[in-house]
Amino acid sequence: AQSVTQPDIHITVSEGASLELRCNYSYGATPYLFWYVQSPGQGLQLLLKYFSGDTLVQGIKGFEAEFKRSQSSFNLRKPSVHWSDAAEYFCAVVPPSGNTPLVFGKGTRLSVIA
Amino acid sequence: NAGVTQTPKFQVLKTGQSMTLQCAQDMNHNSMYWYRQDPGMGLRLIYYSASEGTTDKGEVPNGYNVSRLNKREFSLRLESAAPSQTSVYFCASIKQGGTEAFFGQGTRLTVV
Repeated sequence: AQSVTQPDIHITVSEGASLELRCNYSYGATPYLFWYVQSPGQGLQLLLKYFSGDTLVQGIKGFEAEFKRSQSSFNLRKPSVHWSDAAEYFCAVVPPSGNTPLVFGKGTRLSVIA
Repeated sequence: NAGVTQTPKFQVLKTGQSMTLQCAQDMNHNSMYWYRQDPGMGLRLIYYSASEGTTDKGEVPNGYNVSRLNKREFSLRLESAAPSQTSVYFCASIKQGGTEAFFGQGTRLTVV
């Protein structure tokens, strides 16, 4: 069965520091990969997505993610975190057929300190 | 350009009461989903509809029913609410091919 793992439940970083959020998936073939962000009390916003091609994907708000097939990973990065980045981040996958539902990881909550 | 509209935004129910959560999309998508979000659990799929007239169970379907009324609307019904159904519910509309999901703003449901 497809699954998505986000190993870190909660991460705290200092403002201006770099950030990496981890995501691993278990799948036979390379699925479509997504990162979503959810601010407190809000809905989900798509940060970036990967289907194929260049393994380094640029997203909104200065985020990027790198797909590594050998590690079944799709980690989210940001060079310099801003206080407004404090939110919950979800990795999600869907198989390339597109007919199977989007499956989410359990999320990583990001706190940003001064 | 409404996208995905969910109603209501907030609801408090007593145990045993019933209610229907409404979801509508104006993007002409075939697929629509219902998720619930609980702390530390991420979003879990309740039911989905790959096309008008079809529905399938997701990961946590017990205690829920759904109706795909037409291509635009996908409703979620709680026949007899239980405290374990206290959660935030999200409806999503999926672009053809699964390449992007669009979410409603959520319904915060409390069952007392």
